[in-house]
Amino acid sequence: DIQMTQSPSSLSASVGDRVTITCQASQDITNYLNWYQQKPGKAPKLLIYDASNLETGVPSRFSGSGSGTDFTFTISSLQPEDIATYYCQQYDNLFTWTFGQGTKVEIK
Amino acid sequence: EVQLVESGGGLVQPGGSLRLSCAASGFTFSSYWMHWVRQAPGKGPVWVSRIHTDGSSTNYADSVKGRFTISRDNAKNTLYLQMNSLRVDDTAVYYCVRDSMIVGHRFDNWGQGTLVTVSS
Repeated sequence: DIQMTQSPSSLSASVGDRVTITCQASQDITNYLNWYQQKPGKAPKLLIYDASNLETGVPSRFSGSGSGTDFTFTISSLQPEDIATYYCQQYDNLFTWTFGQGTKVEIK
Repeated sequence: EVQLVESGGGLVQPGGSLRLSCAASGFTFSSYWMHWVRQAPGKGPVWVSRIHTDGSSTNYADSVKGRFTISRDNAKNTLYLQMNSLRVDDTAVYYCVRDSMIVGHRFDNWGQGTLVTVSS
């Protein structure tokens, strides 16, 4: 099974800061990597799909990049409403979907 | 607007059974793979199971294989998860999730979740 290693597990940043989260797959997953945002008590919400594509309606301050095994998620200018936990997720073409451990983003 | 509404969660003793339902609306249910994803308290999401559009093919996480059964009724626009031999570590919020049906199979719509608590 493919393992996903997401880091950091938490971070604290100021409003307006650039925030970066990384996700590493244990083997090549091409670009089958998605990013979700989850706020407390809510279901996860898809933000980025196929590593770098912005889901419809998601603000452009969110972006993603990478391919193969190494991926990056970026918030270009952190806003108060971005306080949440973010998860990467991969699909391996063998009917298995795996999430990263999550990154909790807080305001400093 | 896509809507997924789960029901059937609750408190059950270890070894017991529970059936979750998910009522879908706002899209052509029979055209989409569907999934169940669960999230234990304070933990990240974990994929549980997937079903093909017509129910002909299913997949399960190793942790639930042989105990859980996913099914669907396309006439009723409803997804199910039959959970048997429940264990304490099955305690979680269970989400009904729609598959994008595009290469990469992302999870593009989620229900609000239903809580399953397994405890004596």
